[in-house]
Amino acid sequence: IQMTQSPSLLSASVGDRVTLSCKAGQNINNYLAWFQQKLGEAPKLLIYNANSLQTGIPSRFSGSGSGTDYTLTISSLQPEDVATYFCQQSNSWMYTFGAGTKLELK
Amino acid sequence: EVKLLESGGGLVQPGGSLRLSCAASGFTFTNFYMSWIRQPPGKAPEWLAVIRNKANGYTTEYNPSVKGRFTISRDNTQNILFLQMNTLRAEDTAIYFCAGGIAYWGQGTLVTVSS
Repeated sequence: IQMTQSPSLLSASVGDRVTLSCKAGQNINNYLAWFQQKLGEAPKLLIYNANSLQTGIPSRFSGSGSGTDYTLTISSLQPEDVATYFCQQSNSWMYTFGAGTKLELK
Repeated sequence: EVKLLESGGGLVQPGGSLRLSCAASGFTFTNFYMSWIRQPPGKAPEWLAVIRNKANGYTTEYNPSVKGRFTISRDNTQNILFLQMNTLRAEDTAIYFCAGGIAYWGQGTLVTVSS
C-alpha cells in the first residue's frame, strides 16, 4: 500500500498550528501511525490507530482521519518539534511508510 | 524500562553475509510481534520483516526486496531477535533497527555493503 505525505517540506513559526497530511493508496481501516524522527535518532511513535496518543507524548500532538486520508496536527509548534515526520500503515503486510515531511522553523 | 539493543552491523563486501542481533528487555518478549526495519541515509524507513508473537505461532512475513535473502528468527528463552542477511548488495546499505510492536525501537546498527 503506497503512502503519500504532503508537503515534503514545511516551514512554520513557534506557536503556529501545523497540519501534516498522509494519503493511503487504499482503505487502511485506521491502522495508521505517525512517527517523529530527529537527526541521528530512531523514529519515535507519536500516534497509533490514527488518533491514539502514545504514552508520554505531549497533548499538542493529535491525529485524525479515516479510510485513506489522515492528518497529524501540532496545535502550537515548539522548537523541539523540528524533525521529520513519517506516517506508516499496518493494515496489511507489507507495512509501509510515507516519504516523510520535514518540519523546520521559519 | 524497555530496551532494545542491536549489534552485528559493519562493513561487508557485496555477496557477503551478516547476522544482526537485537537483545530485548523490559517487556514480555513472547507477547510481541518483533520486526526489522532499515533506513538508508536520508531516506524513509523500510519495513523488512516481522515475526509474530506466541499467540500467532511466531509466523513470519518478508518485504519482497529481501525475501529469499534475509531470515528473521527469535530466541524466546534469551529474548533475542535475529536477522540473517545473505547475498548482500550495495543497496542494502542502511541503518537497521529492531522494533517491538511499533512503539519500541532500538538505536540501530549500521550495515555498509561495499568493496
